[in-house]
Amino acid sequence: DAKTTQPPSMDCAEGRAANLPCNHSTISGNEYVYWYRQIHSQGPQYIIHGLKNNETNEMASLIITEDRKSSTLILPHATLRDTAVYYCIVRGAYSGGGADGLTFGKGTHLIIQP
Amino acid sequence: NAGVTQTPKFRVLKTGQSMTLLCAQDMNHEYMYWYRQDPGMGLRLIHYSVGEGTTAKGEVPDGYNVSRLKKQNFLLGLESAAPSQTSVYFCASSHSLDGSNQPQHFGDGTRLSIL
Repeated sequence: DAKTTQPPSMDCAEGRAANLPCNHSTISGNEYVYWYRQIHSQGPQYIIHGLKNNETNEMASLIITEDRKSSTLILPHATLRDTAVYYCIVRGAYSGGGADGLTFGKGTHLIIQP
Repeated sequence: NAGVTQTPKFRVLKTGQSMTLLCAQDMNHEYMYWYRQDPGMGLRLIHYSVGEGTTAKGEVPDGYNVSRLKKQNFLLGLESAAPSQTSVYFCASSHSLDGSNQPQHFGDGTRLSIL
């Protein structure tokens, strides 16, 4: 899997949009960008993923640059419950047919301030 | 919706004891995974399974065994627990169709302490 780089921590005011960046300059053509978050003491929660196009769901939006070397996760109206560690993961199809595990780095600790 | 359920949630063992962690999913997923997470670190893959009756080693398989006798269950066994296996264990599952385009869904973890 391609390596990802994220800032270790970020602050955001409650009610504002939180924009979390991720660099993945060595990403290859068949690798997806996934975002997960982990709220203290809970299991990782899937947020969103994409290949080339921007994606949006009920939780967030994912913006992938045209060259695919970086992406941004956007939480449009952050709440205190969004305080968590956010992981950007690049994942492709390998010998296990896509069954290989996710490689979690240290992520970004997002703190939503009241 | 139950999703991925792990039992037990907490356990304390003595060195040398054995135990089995159970993971159950009700989403009819083909793939299942066991990870461990140590303080301040990301998750690391222990073992995974692509279907009933099949298992494969992940990044850190030593000291663990797994079994997938039923599609919905994935068991992680510690035959002789060691203090280095003190960790939080997470189970996950996903569909197999277009595998890398399928998110993994995680349970809430089992917190295991080995004294």
